[in-house]
This record gives sequence, structure tokens and C-alpha cells, in this order.
Amino acid sequence: DGGITQSPKYLFRKEGQNVTLSCEQNLNHDAMYWYRQDPGQGLRLIYYSQIVNDFQKGDIAEGYSVSREKKESFPLTVTSAQKNPTAFYLCASSIGRANGNEQFFGPGTRLTVL
Amino acid sequence: DQQVKQNSPSLSVQEGRISILNCDYTNSMFDYFLWYKKYPAEGPTFLISISSIKDKNEDGRFTVFLNKSAKHLSLHIVPSQPGDSAVYFCAASASSGTYKYIFGTGTRLKVLA
Repeated sequence: DGGITQSPKYLFRKEGQNVTLSCEQNLNHDAMYWYRQDPGQGLRLIYYSQIVNDFQKGDIAEGYSVSREKKESFPLTVTSAQKNPTAFYLCASSIGRANGNEQFFGPGTRLTVL
Repeated sequence: DQQVKQNSPSLSVQEGRISILNCDYTNSMFDYFLWYKKYPAEGPTFLISISSIKDKNEDGRFTVFLNKSAKHLSLHIVPSQPGDSAVYFCAASASSGTYKYIFGTGTRLKVLA
């Protein structure tokens, strides 16, 4: 079964701690993305990667970091510098450039910082 | 600056009737549009897309219409079913080599039985 997995589904952390969210895909997609969803808001792009060992900041990258050492993996670290980290985080992938290609999404991770 | 707007946060429709969800965009460079459906605590799933070379695309109960001059697209669901109750997002991208999709804020559709 091809798809995107995110783990864990629910994550709780204390304020001031870094936390890493996992995202794995077996679709052989080149591009991967991290979004954040807050109540009443759309999906806001945090980081994206077009290819292994390359990534770009999205619209709200401050307080986050990523790595893309393998094609199938794109972990997101929420650092203590992120002022409001409690949110629903979504990972996605696409075969290539946005135009003409749909994005496939994982099930999401809900992060709650206490 | 919201480049993709969904001005109706919510919509209620009777089962069997037509649901019309609207989306407006401001960037004339956008030429590929997608609709996603999202249930609570799940990732969005792709529904239907349309390229700017078309003004209509149909897939079963779902039809997307694109009006380029008005920078407006709409998703029609006919007939609406209770299982269609979800949040619907429109997204747009440009063919200028970008990997980015710009999403609207979503419309919550409730189909009443």
C-alpha cells in the first residue's frame, strides 16, 4: 500500500522542549511538504523540499527546522523558538512541480504544548 | 495577503440537493486548481482538479467550474450526501516552476439528512 505516514497521531510536550514529527512516504515522490493548520485557517506552508538534500522555507518557517537526507523521509522539528507550536501538522508529497500534480497528505499529527 | 479566498466559512444543504462551494483568487499567474476534502483530525484527500485551459471538469457527483476572467472557481456536488459533510479546501498553483500550492481557508459543508 502506497501512502504517507505520520507519527505519532497525538503528541504532548512541555514548553521549551524541541520535538520532532515524523513523515515517511513510499510513493517515490520527489517533493515533500509540511503544513500547519489552526482553527479557522487554511493550510499554511512551513517548509518544502523539491529533492533530497534540498529544502526551502515556506510562509511560516520561523521556529521550525527540517532535513531531507532520504527521499522517503522529511522530519520536522518544532523548536522552543516557535512561539505558538500547538497545532495540527500535516505532511504531504507530490510527484514533482505543483502545476498539474496533486498533493497527497498524511493523516496529521496533533501537537499540544503544555 | 490572502491569494486564495473562500469567503463562506460554512454551508448547510439538504441531502439530495446541490452543494456549491466557492473560491476566489487574486494571482493571475495561477493556472492549476485543486479541491480537497478534509474530515476532522485527518489529512485532506484530493477530490478534483482543473487546469486553466478548461472551464469545467467533471468526476461523478463532483464538477469544478473555472471562470478565469472573474478569477473564480466553484465546486458543485450533486446530489449531496451526508458523507459529504466535511471541510473543503481549494488550492492553486502556477506553472512558473513553483512547487508551492496556496490553500484557501476552507468551507465547512454540512449535509442534512
